[in-house]
Amino acid sequence: DAGITQSPRHKVTETGTPVTLRCHQTENHRYMYWYRQDPGHGLRLIHYSYGVKDTDKGEVSDGYSVSRSKTEDFLLTLESATSSQTSVYFCAISEGGNSGNTIYFGEGSWLTVV
Amino acid sequence: QKEVEQDPGPLSVPEGAIVSLNCTYSNSAFQYFMWYRQYSRKGPELLMYTYSSGNKEDGRFTAQVDKSSKYISLFIRDSQPSDSATYLCAISNQGGKLIFGQGTELSVKP
Repeated sequence: DAGITQSPRHKVTETGTPVTLRCHQTENHRYMYWYRQDPGHGLRLIHYSYGVKDTDKGEVSDGYSVSRSKTEDFLLTLESATSSQTSVYFCAISEGGNSGNTIYFGEGSWLTVV
Repeated sequence: QKEVEQDPGPLSVPEGAIVSLNCTYSNSAFQYFMWYRQYSRKGPELLMYTYSSGNKEDGRFTAQVDKSSKYISLFIRDSQPSDSATYLCAISNQGGKLIFGQGTELSVKP
């Protein structure tokens, strides 16, 4: 258990509504990530954070925003959900640094946009 | 061309077989190589981690890296039904972000 809690674990929402996914860690790791996983695409990085209030975009950031006001919490927001954002979302954490980037994943949040 | 290519399978083998899972990558700057195992409806879990060419063994699992060919492999000896999962390779450069392969779905039949 990597000490990562994602909430909600499952959500169905309507197109155009805002959605926020929460990731909470108990490891005090500096780096936190949001990935999405889709058939045929594997895991793709949406956004990541390298410290409180320090965030950056990943390869599929359009339509998503993030915030990190505390070391332990990293929020992913879909401002206006679209059907293309139906996916499984994984939060991940790592100590980061220059020794390789071993990351540990949460259990996932299943989001369906109808 | 994707930076990391992995055959998605599915791969089905009988119990006790030796399994070979493979990935190729395009950028010689990558230095760190990982294999993750993901059970159905679960998060990926780190299985093997290596940062050099050669072999690394952990029980029934062996990770192999050939930097000259930009090729990484995961071997599973004496495969068990409990090994049935999706296996993802992941690579990164120093201080960089991980790039994942698509994942190979493995089924080990009793």
